Amino acid sequence: NAGVMQNPRHLVRRRGQEARLRCSPMKGHSHVYWYRQLPEEGLKFMVYLQKENIIDESGMPKERFSAEFPKEGPSILRIQQVVRGDSAAYFCASSQGAAYGYTFGSGTRLTVV
Amino acid sequence: QKEVEQDPGPLSVPEGAIVSLNCTYSNSAFQYFMWYRQYSRKGPELLMYTYSSGNKEDGRFTAQVDKSSKYISLFIRDSQPSDSATYLCAMSAKNNNDMRFGAGTRLTVKP
Repeated sequence: NAGVMQNPRHLVRRRGQEARLRCSPMKGHSHVYWYRQLPEEGLKFMVYLQKENIIDESGMPKERFSAEFPKEGPSILRIQQVVRGDSAAYFCASSQGAAYGYTFGSGTRLTVV
Repeated sequence: QKEVEQDPGPLSVPEGAIVSLNCTYSNSAFQYFMWYRQYSRKGPELLMYTYSSGNKEDGRFTAQVDKSSKYISLFIRDSQPSDSATYLCAMSAKNNNDMRFGAGTRLTVKP
């Protein structure tokens, strides 16, 4: 079991470009969560998805950010027209449900230059 | 007031010391309580999981939950340099699939 796979590990984008972050959940997990972590800060919830459905996106900025978890393939977190303030580590987690705890990937570190 | 409060530290202890890490929370709906360990530049890994109030022990680690006080703790006995990491508390409400995390406490265990 390869665990939660995130790619790329590091991503550098210029201001105004698009960033696409990918997450493949653990086998058998149908719940996917995206979190953002800034230096010296905790994990901030962004969005919770199940296959083909966004369940809770209350932590997502209203503009420029979107997420999907298609029937086939990984979950994608998309950030359009990136700004320097988007620079952070983005973690994906999967679970069978919150009662079981989450398994996290190693994260994607986005740097906007 | 934040939903979950955790002292960010940093906390530095000598090898062999007993470490106490704590979180308080405001949402009485939280039922599931977890502790994650995060090494530098890695993703968090689940360390301890507790449902409702009570204690849970796993090797050198003990998790305690006091729902009446909205207070949870993680104790590490005989701490080792390999325990040096950031420890994050996390909690979620029953039937609620998003988890709330504390800011994390950075722990250093010195040989």
